[in-house]
Amino acid sequence: DAKTTQPPSMDCAEGRAANLPCNHSTISGNEYVYWYRQIHSQGPQYIIHGLKNNETNEMASLIITEDRKSSTLILPHATLRDTAVYYCIAGGGTASKLTFGTGTRLQVTL
Amino acid sequence: DAMVIQNPRYQVTQFGKPVTLSCSQTLNHNVMYWYQQKSSQAPKLLFHYYDKDFNNEADTPDNFQSRRPNTSFCFLDIRSPGLGDAAMYLCATSSVGGSPLHFGNGTRLTVT
Repeated sequence: DAKTTQPPSMDCAEGRAANLPCNHSTISGNEYVYWYRQIHSQGPQYIIHGLKNNETNEMASLIITEDRKSSTLILPHATLRDTAVYYCIAGGGTASKLTFGTGTRLQVTL
Repeated sequence: DAMVIQNPRYQVTQFGKPVTLSCSQTLNHNVMYWYQQKSSQAPKLLFHYYDKDFNNEADTPDNFQSRRPNTSFCFLDIRSPGLGDAAMYLCATSSVGGSPLHFGNGTRLTVT
């Protein structure tokens, strides 16, 4: 799996968009970009994933650069319940296993 | 709802006393994973099963073993738990071809 680099922490005001960056410069052609989040004492929750194209679902949007070396997870209207550790993972494809990096601790404040 | 279920949520064992953690899934996924997560750290993959094929990570201690008797169930056996094995143990499943992992809520293991 490709190594990922994320900022250790970020703050966001409630109601504003949270933009979480991730670098994955060694990603290979068949590896996906996955985003998960983990709230204390729970298992990681799947948010979104993509290969080359930008993706959007009911939780978030994923923007992947054209060279696929970085991506941004966008939570369009952050709420207090979005406070969590967010993990960006580059992997999967034919290999199927995913290796977690250190993640970004997002704090949403009033 | 289809899901990944881990039992128990909390497990206490004594130093050196074997312990088994269980995971079941109703998703009918081919792949099942066990991760270890220590306090304030990211989950670390221990091993995974692709159907019945077992794949061990190179740095997973021999103290950790796993069994997958059928598609739905997977077990993590810790033969002689040490204090350093206290952690949250997470089970996950996926189908193949780039699909995301689905995690259970974990079992928190305490070693006394």
